[in-house]
Amino acid sequence: DAGITQSPRYKITETGRQVTLMCHQTWSHSYMFWYRQDLGHGLRLIYYSAAADITDKGEVPDGYVVSRSKTENFPLTLESATRSQTSVYFCASSELEGSRNYGYTFGSGTRLTVV
Amino acid sequence: AQSVAQPEDQVNVAEGNPLTVKCTYSVSGNPYLFWYVQYPNRGLQFLLKYITGDNLVKGSYGFEAEFNKSQTSFHLKKPSALVSDSALYFCAVRDLNTGGFKTIFGAGTRLFVKA
Repeated sequence: DAGITQSPRYKITETGRQVTLMCHQTWSHSYMFWYRQDLGHGLRLIYYSAAADITDKGEVPDGYVVSRSKTENFPLTLESATRSQTSVYFCASSELEGSRNYGYTFGSGTRLTVV
Repeated sequence: AQSVAQPEDQVNVAEGNPLTVKCTYSVSGNPYLFWYVQYPNRGLQFLLKYITGDNLVKGSYGFEAEFNKSQTSFHLKKPSALVSDSALYFCAVRDLNTGGFKTIFGAGTRLFVKA
């Protein structure tokens, strides 16, 4: 089934380690996004990408790195994980401006615990 | 700056009764407004959107939302609640200042429908 896939679903890592969360979409959507979801904060945008090789910071980018060498993939890397990065991470994608559907399609999320 | 507020952390309603989940917004131009639903351990799912046109927007699962420009509100409604509607609901607004693709989410409202 076509869609947006995140991996892993669950991850436990130690403080200071590098960890990469994967996101893959099959629709060739131009726009992709990474959000984190925390109690009391709702969803906060970490990074987004308008196309391959075009990325930009969102609301809470510190400690994260993204890349987009191919349209379908948008990995998120925590360079040196901290406990404050314990969260649920969601990847999303969206069609180009001008499309009738302006909504986002979300992956199922990655629950990351930093110990 | 664009913003969206969901004044209620939780809404409780009995099955069969009408439900309303409130949302107010602040935008500098014409608003693009959305509602998403999140079921446990799942990503967000698009419910409905308001771009232009009729103030009453119909969406998935029998939900509708009423756009009120004078009150800057976009409340989510359903005439008869189901237990299966119990979930976390997010109101969102598109950030038109960044080309329209950054979406700002409210903190979420948890809906409990009691049998």
